[in-house]
Parts: sequence; C-alpha cells; structure tokens
Amino acid sequence: ETGVTQTPRHLVMGMTNKKSLKCEQHLGHNAMYWYKQSAKKPLELMFVYSLEERVENNSVPSRFSPECPNSSHLFLHLHTLQPEDSALYLCASSQVTGGELGDTQYFGPGTRLTVL
Amino acid sequence: AQTVTQSQPEMSVQEAETVTLSCTYDTSESNYYLFWYKQPPSRQMILVIRQEAYKQQNATENRFSVNFQKAAKSFSLKISDSQLGDTAMYFCAFIIQGAQKLVFGQGTRLTINP
Repeated sequence: ETGVTQTPRHLVMGMTNKKSLKCEQHLGHNAMYWYKQSAKKPLELMFVYSLEERVENNSVPSRFSPECPNSSHLFLHLHTLQPEDSALYLCASSQVTGGELGDTQYFGPGTRLTVL
Repeated sequence: AQTVTQSQPEMSVQEAETVTLSCTYDTSESNYYLFWYKQPPSRQMILVIRQEAYKQQNATENRFSVNFQKAAKSFSLKISDSQLGDTAMYFCAFIIQGAQKLVFGQGTRLTINP
C-alpha cells in the first residue's frame, strides 16, 4: 500500500450504531487530519493530530471521537450520529518539521458515510 | 477572515484545449502556501501543484501551471492540452505557514469533452 488509505470506503449506519473509520498513512508522516466534505460546502477540518497529540478540534460534536494510537494510524469513532452527519470523510497526513506542521497535506480516498 | 473564492462553479472544454481556473483568496498573513487539488469521481483528493507565497516564480508541473499574483491575491490554474482524465472537481486551497488549517474553496467542476 502506498500513500494514505482509508477503510471502509462506504458505510451505512443507523443513528444508534457505533462504528469506526480507519486511516493509515504509508508516507512516514507524523501529522494526521480528519476532514468532513458535505455537498456544496467547503471541506471542514475536524481534527488534527501532530506527533500523536491532538492539536486542533474545531468544535466538533462529541458523537465524533478521534483516536491516534501512533503516527501511522488514525481512527474516527462514530456514535449516535444524525442524518446530517452523512458526508465524505477524508483523512490526510503531512510532515511536522521543526515543530511546525508541514504545509502539504496528502489525502486518502475517503469514506462515504450514510446515516439513516 | 481567511477565505478562498472560486468563482466558476462549472467549466467545460474540448479535449486538447487550454483551460484556466480562477481562484482568489484573502489573508492578512505574508507567509503561506497555495495549492490546487484535484478530486476525480473516484473521490481521491490529489495534489496537482503547490506554490510558496514567498516565491515570485510561478510553479509548473508538466501540463499544469499557475499564475500567482500575490498583490492581487490571485492564484489561477492553467491546464494545457487538456485530457479526458483531467475531468474532476478542482479545489484551490492555502495554509498559513505553521498553521494546521488548510482553507479550501468551494471547487470548480471541470469537464473535458472528447
């Protein structure tokens, strides 16, 4: 595998389900990101992890819970979602250099989430 | 506020033609990076080209080039000899040096017709 991979590619879940999205980067990067892409809206940054520590949480509802066990893996745990949470969820990674997050982010293929 | 505006929601050209996608942005910072990403129907967001704001020379990557006008805060993408595989959503984005947030525009849907 090369680049950034995400699983599953598609997910349908009910509002009472618990599921997790997985992201893995094979680029040797040490910062990872979750974005939400909804129809007709710009990409929204949800979470940022730098060196495995969360550095950004853009007021995301608590029904989304990220986890970064190491620099190569990132999870997004989903619980009691709402239909308006249906979207494409994109993972990205970049390289931290000298304490600063790398400017270029590389994206995975995304998980298309549908909440019924 | 930091924003990116792509004024062309959709564009369509014939194969082999040249097409230019517009992008303007707003920031009070002086050190930042600009990007064009491509998102084909497969949904993978692919980096097309990158420009450092401190460089006056316009970036080029094969058939892709940019026209970077820092004073005007304009960053257009030119695709030469367009190919069917160029059909995709194109997003303009920038990030302030040292920041976490990549600011995206709304995107331009480009269709290359045979």
